[in-house]
Amino acid sequence: DADVTQTPRNRITKTGKRIMLECSQTKGHDRMYWYRQDPGLGLRLIYYSFDVKDINKGEISDGYSVSRQAQAKFSLSLESAIPNQTALYFCATGLSGANVLTFGAGSRLTVL
Amino acid sequence: AQSVTQLDSQVPVFEEAPVELRCNYSSSVSVYLFWYVQYPNQGLQLLLKYLSGSTLVKGINGFEAEFNKSQTSFHLRKPSVHISDTAEYFCAVSGNTGNQFYFGTGTSLTVIP
Repeated sequence: DADVTQTPRNRITKTGKRIMLECSQTKGHDRMYWYRQDPGLGLRLIYYSFDVKDINKGEISDGYSVSRQAQAKFSLSLESAIPNQTALYFCATGLSGANVLTFGAGSRLTVL
Repeated sequence: AQSVTQLDSQVPVFEEAPVELRCNYSSSVSVYLFWYVQYPNQGLQLLLKYLSGSTLVKGINGFEAEFNKSQTSFHLRKPSVHISDTAEYFCAVSGNTGNQFYFGTGTSLTVIP
């Protein structure tokens, strides 16, 4: 099994729908991150969390929300999806002091 | 805050030729630097990292990178590429607290047979 698991891997939805992307990890890392990848723009940070009670906005948090349900689980929600949120979303985990990120395989979201 | 610039969006190179992928960073504090590789339809994998010490860093699959503080660069090199090196490569930087990681826009390396 993968160390960082993202579900769903692919999702097509319509404008205005609520969408949740889930991330779970078995690495025992305390830090979790959500990034989105767009062609030509690289990876941009949406939200990050350093522990269950800590949530921080990244550079592009508008239109998104997150929940850290447990140390191992970090979900990303789009309350009302819009087409420009069509992207590849990555969850990543890290251990404080280790300075390395471990990525999931990605969730491809298409908003029509 | 930190930022990263990858100077080449696409790099085609013939098999067994050398390659250099360029990365420049900006930061007002000491930094940690990384190269990640993304194979088609996969997540990102760590290729190598510079935290401190020797400025020449060796990574997996024969890649290496050199940290140049005066030029604020962290270029990735491989002396002889293989078809399997075809992938997207991302340079990343974090401050010395390691709290946030900032990624470049990526360089698509295509190895031509």
